[in-house]
Amino acid sequence: ETGVTQSPTHLIKTRGQQVTLRCSSQSGHNTVSWYQQALGQGPQFIFQYYREEENGRGNFPPRFSGLQFPNYSSELNVNALELDDSALYLCASSPDPLGYGYTFGSGTRLTVV
Amino acid sequence: KNEVEQSPQNLTAQEGEFITINCSYSVGISALHWLQQHPGGGIVSLFMLSSGKKKHGRLIATINIQEKHSSLHITASHPRDSAVYICAVSSSNSGYALNFGKGTSLLVTP
Repeated sequence: ETGVTQSPTHLIKTRGQQVTLRCSSQSGHNTVSWYQQALGQGPQFIFQYYREEENGRGNFPPRFSGLQFPNYSSELNVNALELDDSALYLCASSPDPLGYGYTFGSGTRLTVV
Repeated sequence: KNEVEQSPQNLTAQEGEFITINCSYSVGISALHWLQQHPGGGIVSLFMLSSGKKKHGRLIATINIQEKHSSLHITASHPRDSAVYICAVSSSNSGYALNFGKGTSLLVTP
């Protein structure tokens, strides 16, 4: 399977709720990173997973958490949603932790009301 | 944190013009990426480079490691080149995660 697939494409949640975003990476891509892109801004690094272990984290609170599975899929979970969490969430996968050969998904647009 | 600055923020060009987008960063890197983002969000990786110059079709990317500067050039621009172009860098002290610039919004008019 080629490419990175993210689901859902769009999502509306209420403040205080919890959300799970999903990413399906290419076979063999053992590194996955998640990014948050607010409107008009460049993406900001949330965290990175390598072989199912978190190996890097950006400046995001603990209510942002993730998982990576052996089948190259991963999840981003956000608890206690806030209005400022409204953004495009991007997943990027790579066949190695040095970041060579990044492939990006099309993103999930999350709106918190 | 590696500060990544792009210029210009917005750019309008006429079809056929030669376009240059610039990127500068503040600390040493392992690689620099040029990415293209169309409305709706999807990001496409255009180039990854750590030295010298790369060319793909009408796109050329250069990097000067000593000056901590990279440029993306588009020759014979076309309206379909209209998109946001983003520079991102990775380095060992950030765990190789990408640190992005804010992007350059390019509009090419017929």
